[in-house]
Amino acid sequence: SAVISQKPSRDICQRGTSLTIQCQVDSQVTMMFWYRQQPGQSLTLIATANQGSEATYESGFVIDKFPISRPNLTFSTLTVSNMSPEDSSIYLCSGGYPYNEQFFGPGTRLTVL
Amino acid sequence: DQQVKQNSPSLSVQEGRISILNCDYTNSMFDYFLWYKKYPAEGPTFLISISSIKDKNEDGRFTVFLNKSAKHLSLHIVPSQPGDSAVYFCAARNSNTGNQFYFGTGTSLTVIP
Repeated sequence: SAVISQKPSRDICQRGTSLTIQCQVDSQVTMMFWYRQQPGQSLTLIATANQGSEATYESGFVIDKFPISRPNLTFSTLTVSNMSPEDSSIYLCSGGYPYNEQFFGPGTRLTVL
Repeated sequence: DQQVKQNSPSLSVQEGRISILNCDYTNSMFDYFLWYKKYPAEGPTFLISISSIKDKNEDGRFTVFLNKSAKHLSLHIVPSQPGDSAVYFCAARNSNTGNQFYFGTGTSLTVIP
């Protein structure tokens, strides 16, 4: 298993600003992912964070809006850029190994005013 | 397009009775299924999984059943305990196309003491 921490746990931001969320894993996991959970909806995969290279984005998500870094096997960041109220959501980091379950961080609750 | 659906947003059960949470999926290529439990202000916690080569997997009070012909899986909790009160998400993956999991919208279970 893996223990995943995220910070900040929550934030309230102004429209047009950017927020960077950090994700730390206590072990070297092969895979790291970023999800979004909008109110009343399921978890939606934003991208797969690839170590040392550009993230792989899912349909509907772009690098300019959600730049992601993963400098090593235990750390990743997600930036929500040029925020609008529609970006208000819970952002979750997960990690794991191929063909196995993923382990989730506690999430970052973002409110954009 | 929601590939994994949980049609019951909420469920209430008396303590000691059985809780049955249901999940339907549309993609016949899904071959790995999981259930996660989520408490407020925490990330989802892995509960139990099942591969498409099986139709049942049991772990203590938790049993997952898979009906591939109906594209349906269910989670049984017996006996239900107040600590089981949480939101339960089912998730599915096609291992041949990657490690992306598709999540349902969740079912909020309340176990009444």
